[in-house]
Amino acid sequence: TQLLEQSPQFLSIQEGENLTVYCNSSSVFSSLQWYRQEPGEGPVLLVTVVTGGEVKKLKRLTFQFGDARKDSSLHITAAQTGDTGLYLCAGAASGTYKYIFGTGTRLKVLA
Amino acid sequence: GAVVSQHPSWVICKSGTSVKIECRSLDFQATTMFWYRQFPKQSLMLMATSNEGSKATYEQGVEKDKFLINHASLTLSTLTVTSAHPEDSSFYICSAHEGLAGEQFFGPGTRLTVL
Repeated sequence: TQLLEQSPQFLSIQEGENLTVYCNSSSVFSSLQWYRQEPGEGPVLLVTVVTGGEVKKLKRLTFQFGDARKDSSLHITAAQTGDTGLYLCAGAASGTYKYIFGTGTRLKVLA
Repeated sequence: GAVVSQHPSWVICKSGTSVKIECRSLDFQATTMFWYRQFPKQSLMLMATSNEGSKATYEQGVEKDKFLINHASLTLSTLTVTSAHPEDSSFYICSAHEGLAGEQFFGPGTRLTVL
């Protein structure tokens, strides 16, 4: 069974600070996604990475897929209160569209 | 992006009753849909893969007779929680896989509360 561990589990920071969330597994994924979820809503896709070593940027968010495609990171620069939410990584094995979700990182950005 | 809807958005029922949740892809065809459940302050747990025209594939530990899945058309999958009990109370989320773009799109979720 694939297992995706995210760290940290919880993070509370001041507005303007930088942070990194990690997503680690012993399994290789053909595709890895990052989502953000607000309470009571479905998760919203932020990015999909498919190539080992790939780096993608989305405004203040930088996503990296590990060279071996077993891990990923999400870095947020100059966090804003609007970044508050549950961040989830999800990985799919080769030949499948079935995504397994990570354990989640709950981020709170304080004004 | 593509839109996925769920109905109802919330439901409260008595213990022992059955509840049906619908998941629809509104502007695309989805041969594959996925059902997840999420407990408070936890991540999403995949329950089953729903394939149009065939039986659903359940994840280990998920009772197929308890959680009936039907994927009757390319735009609709239903999850029926049979003989619901309070421990079935959860947030149920579906996603639909859009074949051309290879992306999956999530519904807004259904909150089930069993009294």
